[in-house]
Formats: sequence, structure tokens, C-alpha cells
Amino acid sequence: AQSVTQLDSHVSVSEGTPVLLRCNYSSSYSPSLFWYVQHPNKGLQLLLKYTSAATLVKGINGFEAEFKKSETSFHLTKPSAHMSDAAEYFCVVTSGGYNKLIFGAGTRLAVHP
Amino acid sequence: SAVISQKPSRDICQRGTSLTIQCQVDSQVTMMFWYRQQPGQSLTLIATANQGSEATYESGFVIDKFPISRPNLTFSTLTVSNMSPEDSSIYLCSAYPGLAGGRADTQYFGPGTRLTVL
Repeated sequence: AQSVTQLDSHVSVSEGTPVLLRCNYSSSYSPSLFWYVQHPNKGLQLLLKYTSAATLVKGINGFEAEFKKSETSFHLTKPSAHMSDAAEYFCVVTSGGYNKLIFGAGTRLAVHP
Repeated sequence: SAVISQKPSRDICQRGTSLTIQCQVDSQVTMMFWYRQQPGQSLTLIATANQGSEATYESGFVIDKFPISRPNLTFSTLTVSNMSPEDSSIYLCSAYPGLAGGRADTQYFGPGTRLTVL
């Protein structure tokens, strides 16, 4: 069965410092992986996705993630945090060939001035 | 891509009543899904809405409680029946434009319906 574990429920950074949100996955086959962001009282927005092409994936708003099969990880990074990055971030893996998404528990990112 | 709208955006309901949530996509899509996000929690898949046939429910969700319709390739409804306070959640619709069973591509999400049951 497919699953995803977000290792931190809360991350707090200062504006201008790097962001690291950690995600490990479990999958019995080559997975597709996604990061979605949810701002307060807003819908989900896709940040980036990995679907077996390049292992380093660049997304919107300066975010990127690296797929590491040996470590079963898909950590999300950004070189310099902005106040507007404060939100809930979800790491997501697909389940089987039916395009169902399995969501991680989420990581709440706080950005301080 | 796909742009998804949901109605209503929020509602406050009395226990024992039912609420139907509508999901409209601006283009024809292969697959549509319904998710629940309980307060402070992540998203859990309720069911896959199948066009022209009965929805496929995930473990822990049943048709009597969450009847779903999908009359065409752009529209679906989710009803939350006989509501209790435990049903207070955000309900989200999503759409997948690609080929069913194909390599996973982007799912697009609606803005959600925030339901409070008193």
C-alpha cells in the first residue's frame, strides 16, 4: 500500500532563510509525488509534481523538490522564505493506477519577520 | 488545466438534515473525486465519482451517508445525509483531466465547502 509521512507537523523559519519540509513515502511501485499548498481559507494549489522524469523538480514560487529513491524521500525546499509562504503544505503520493491521491498529514509553515 | 467551482462555499446546518454540495468543472474531465478535510486534519478521499454509474467509495464511507451523482463529464454532487456534528468538515471536489488509469497527472481542486453542523 502507498503511504506518505511528513516528518514535521510545524516548521518555523525567519523571512529570508531557507525552507525545508520533509516527506518520506512508501510505494510498491514507481510513484508519482506531489506537493500541494493550502493557504488559510483557500483551496489547494499544486506546487510541483514528480512523475518519473527529472529527479529534481522545480515548482512555482521558487520551490523545488528532489526525488530520492534510495531514501524514499521527496523533501520540499526553498532558498529564501517569504512571508507569503506561510501556509499548510501537503506531500501527496498516488495510489495505484486509479489516480487516487494519498495525502500526508501536512506541515504548517510559519514565517517570522 | 481545469477550473473548479463549488456551491455552497459554506453552510451551517442542523443535525439530522442533509446538504447537497455541487461541483462544476469548466471542461470535460475523466475522473472526479470527493475529499473530506476534518478540522485541523489532512484530506481523506471519500469516493470516486463515476460518470453514469455508482460512485466507488473508500473504506469507512458508504453510499447511504454520502450519496454521489455524476450525470456528465463536468458536474458532480455530494450529499451529506442525516448530518451530525462529526460531519463538520471542509468537503473538496477534485478533477483529473487525464486518461483513467493512466500515468498520474495533476489533479485540480475546488475551493471547498465548509460545513458546520450544530
